[in-house]
Amino acid sequence: GAGVSQSPSNKVTEKGKDVELRCDPISGHTALYWYRQSLGQGLEFLIYFQGNSAPDKSGLPSDRFSAERTGGSVSTLTIQRTQQEDSAVYLCASGSYQGTRFFGPGTRLTVL
Amino acid sequence: DQQVKQNSPSLSVQEGRISILNCDYTNSMFDYFLWYKKYPAEGPTFLISISSIKDKNEDGRFTVFLNKSAKHLSLHIVPSQPGDSAVYFCAASATGGFNTIFGAGTRLFVKA
Repeated sequence: GAGVSQSPSNKVTEKGKDVELRCDPISGHTALYWYRQSLGQGLEFLIYFQGNSAPDKSGLPSDRFSAERTGGSVSTLTIQRTQQEDSAVYLCASGSYQGTRFFGPGTRLTVL
Repeated sequence: DQQVKQNSPSLSVQEGRISILNCDYTNSMFDYFLWYKKYPAEGPTFLISISSIKDKNEDGRFTVFLNKSAKHLSLHIVPSQPGDSAVYFCAASATGGFNTIFGAGTRLFVKA
């Protein structure tokens, strides 16, 4: 496919469990972003990868959150010891430096 | 501190009439502005953008107006169609910066 894909589309987990969310960006895009949207809220920036540069992690809400981008392509967002407040839609986007973002469909995470 | 604000969480408009979605920003360094549209269960998609060197950009039924002195931009949709019903996010970024800041979104309902 030509677009950004994310998996799983839905994830229900128990409080305290770890989860991994995956993002496959558009081929050739050097920039990759993770956002999340909690109920009734806007898009909250989490982390940004640009090429081989060190990622900007300034948006990660706690040290339970981490992300990797392997080979400049696929990225995984890991949330350890999930809490109920982590429930949100997690969106991945790829794009250019200051250009438009192409978003994936998101992963809806529900922490029970 | 919200740098990009969309003060109207929702807007209802009759089909055929004009929809006006508003956005205010506080960071004078922002010089590139975008509007995204989001349907349920999908990621946001890019709609239209404007650079700070312009005060208007038009694309079909969609026009974005920028008032730099007021730090305000608006999206006009005319004529509105039921298929325009979605959440609209305003976003802003600065040259040399990587991060696009999103507003909280405005849900538009276009009634047939």
